[in-house]
Amino acid sequence: QVQLKESGPGLVQPSQTLSLTCTVSGLSLTSNSVSWIRQPPGKGLEWMGVIWSNGGTDYNSAIKSRLSISRDTSKSQVFLKMNSLQTEDTAMYFCAGGGFDYWGQGVMVTVSS
Amino acid sequence: DVVMTQTPPSLSVAIGQSVSISCKSSQSLVYSDGKTYLHWLLQSPGRSPKRLIYQVSNLGSGVPDRFSGTGSQKDFTLKISRVEAEDLGVYYCAQTTHFPPTFGSGTKLEIK
Repeated sequence: QVQLKESGPGLVQPSQTLSLTCTVSGLSLTSNSVSWIRQPPGKGLEWMGVIWSNGGTDYNSAIKSRLSISRDTSKSQVFLKMNSLQTEDTAMYFCAGGGFDYWGQGVMVTVSS
Repeated sequence: DVVMTQTPPSLSVAIGQSVSISCKSSQSLVYSDGKTYLHWLLQSPGRSPKRLIYQVSNLGSGVPDRFSGTGSQKDFTLKISRVEAEDLGVYYCAQTTHFPPTFGSGTKLEIK
């Protein structure tokens, strides 16, 4: 059974850095990609970036300068780091495996002082 | 970026009725390998999205065959036959043919 679970702080101060972890089970990171997608409250889905099975990464150009995705295959974890957070970054953050095949439950991140 | 336009933005249907949701893309979604990477997702209230259909017409694991997807190039449709109460939520189309992946704005299905 494939499971993805996001974890991280629920509250981040403006201008600070967000760090999230996606812990994956039942899905090999060396054979599958993992994407990060976010959803502001009451709004639609925005693809943020992906780490491919070979470890390469691609990012949404709108946030590329602030975003970094990495992984630890030994722990089956994927990491998201995004700096210079602003209130508009308040959203539910999801990780998804295998090209949207599997989704985590999401973690709500609020950017506020 | 490829723009995905979904219609209608919302609809209300009675149990047992059938509904269709349209998704149109600003570019053809046929990839160089000949496949079309258009997918349908359902986000039930308070839940994360779940993939229903991949590559236009292939049902995801455990998805009832009341759901079907059709279309080609730039024009796609999701049909739900015999709507059930559990089908309520927001339906999204998504494309992964072109970089970056993009989503439609969603269609909210309510049960009368």
